[in-house]
Amino acid sequence: GQNIDQPTEMTATEGAIVQINCTYQTSGFNGLFWYQQHAGEAPTFLSYNVLDGLEEKGRFSSFLSRSKGYSYLLLKELQMKDSASYLCAVTTPGNQGGKLIFGQGTELSVKP
Amino acid sequence: GAGVSQSPSNKVTEKGKDVELRCDPISGHTALYWYRQSLGQGLEFLIYFQGNSAPDKSGLPSDRFSAERTGGSVSTLTIQRTQQEDSAVYLCASSLGGARNTIYFGEGSWLTVV
Repeated sequence: GQNIDQPTEMTATEGAIVQINCTYQTSGFNGLFWYQQHAGEAPTFLSYNVLDGLEEKGRFSSFLSRSKGYSYLLLKELQMKDSASYLCAVTTPGNQGGKLIFGQGTELSVKP
Repeated sequence: GAGVSQSPSNKVTEKGKDVELRCDPISGHTALYWYRQSLGQGLEFLIYFQGNSAPDKSGLPSDRFSAERTGGSVSTLTIQRTQQEDSAVYLCASSLGGARNTIYFGEGSWLTVV
C-alpha cells in the first residue's frame, strides 16, 4: 500500500526556522514534491527531490533520504504569509503519468 | 492559457441532481488530473488523462462519477445523483506528463450538495 505521513499541525514564530517532516512508504519511488496551499486557494509547487540531499531555493529548502523514506521542508526567516498548509506528495514508477499521492498536509501557523 | 482554469468556481446543488465541472488545462500539457479535497483533508486522486484516454480511473469513488476529455484539452467531471458526501473542492491539474514533471493546479470548483 501507499502511506505518506506528516504532522497535522505546527506553530512557529515570525523570523524563526521551522522543519516539516514527511515519511513515506510506497511501492517504489520516483520523486517527492512539496506544495504550499493557502486556505481557499490551489496548491502551488514549492520543490521537487528525486536524489538524496538538500535542494535550496531562497528561504525554502527540501531534503530527501530515499533509504529512510524521509523528507523535510525547511522554512527560514518565517513570515506571516507563510501560514498555510504544506503538502508532501510522492510519485511512483508503478503509476502512470506521474500522478501524485498526497499526505494529509501540515497546517503551519506563524505567530508574531 | 496561462494557468489551469476551472468552472464553476462555486456550485450549490440539491441532493440527487447531476453536476458538471469543467477544466481547461495549461496549453500544451498532455496530462490532466482530477483530485478531490474535503474540508480539512488531503488531496484524493480521482482520475488521470493522457491525451483523451484515461489510463488510471482508480480513484473514482463510485459509478456516479465519470470524466471525459476531448481534443486533448478540456475535461469535464460529471457527478450524477449527487449526495451530501460529494461536497468538496474538486481540483484539476495538468502537466507535461511523466513522473518528473511538475503538476500545476487550478483554483478548484467548490461543490456544496444541500
